[in-house]
Amino acid sequence: NAGVTQTPKFRVLKTGQSMTLLCAQDMNHEYMYWYRQDPGMGLRLIHYSVGEGTTAKGEVPDGYNVSRLKKQNFLLGLESAAPSQTSVYFCASSPIAGGSSEQFFGPGTRLTVL
Amino acid sequence: DQQVKQNSPSLSVQEGRISILNCDYTNSMFDYFLWYKKYPAEGPTFLISISSIKDKNEDGRFTVFLNKSAKHLSLHIVPSQPGDSAVYFCAATGNSGNTPLVFGKGTRLSVIA
Repeated sequence: NAGVTQTPKFRVLKTGQSMTLLCAQDMNHEYMYWYRQDPGMGLRLIHYSVGEGTTAKGEVPDGYNVSRLKKQNFLLGLESAAPSQTSVYFCASSPIAGGSSEQFFGPGTRLTVL
Repeated sequence: DQQVKQNSPSLSVQEGRISILNCDYTNSMFDYFLWYKKYPAEGPTFLISISSIKDKNEDGRFTVFLNKSAKHLSLHIVPSQPGDSAVYFCAATGNSGNTPLVFGKGTRLSVIA
């Protein structure tokens, strides 16, 4: 099993460009999440999904859109990138949410917006 | 307002000694607490968790203690090893199906040989 994979691993964008980050999981998990990690800020939840076809806003959703058309994939889109979106992005999945359910993380995507 | 706080950004410990990482929370609705470990250029990995109905959970060299009245938990690593050098995140969640994890800012542990 590959677990959680993220594509691409690195990307440099110019301000105003758009891009999509792809997250895939092969564990048949219902729940998927997108986080960003900034220096000194920990992990902040951007959007999450409780199942195929559903999405919900997290703590910092502005400037991002997401889609979960297939259970195994969770896409994060930046329509018009800004330097403030320079960050490391992590995708995660879990079989359930809440309680002691462990989240499994991907290796991350390092995005730089110039 | 930060609901999960890790007030020490970094900690250095000698190999073989005990490492104690602390975490405070403000939301009394949190029911479960988890610790994640993160190496550079990798995603976080789950380490250990504790339910609010317990005050201690142990897994090998790792023990988590929970003090509900003080809204405080700590992770003890005994003995510390150089491979434990990483960033440790404390996280908390409720018991319902739609309660996302709330993470602290992390503590960077350096175990010196």
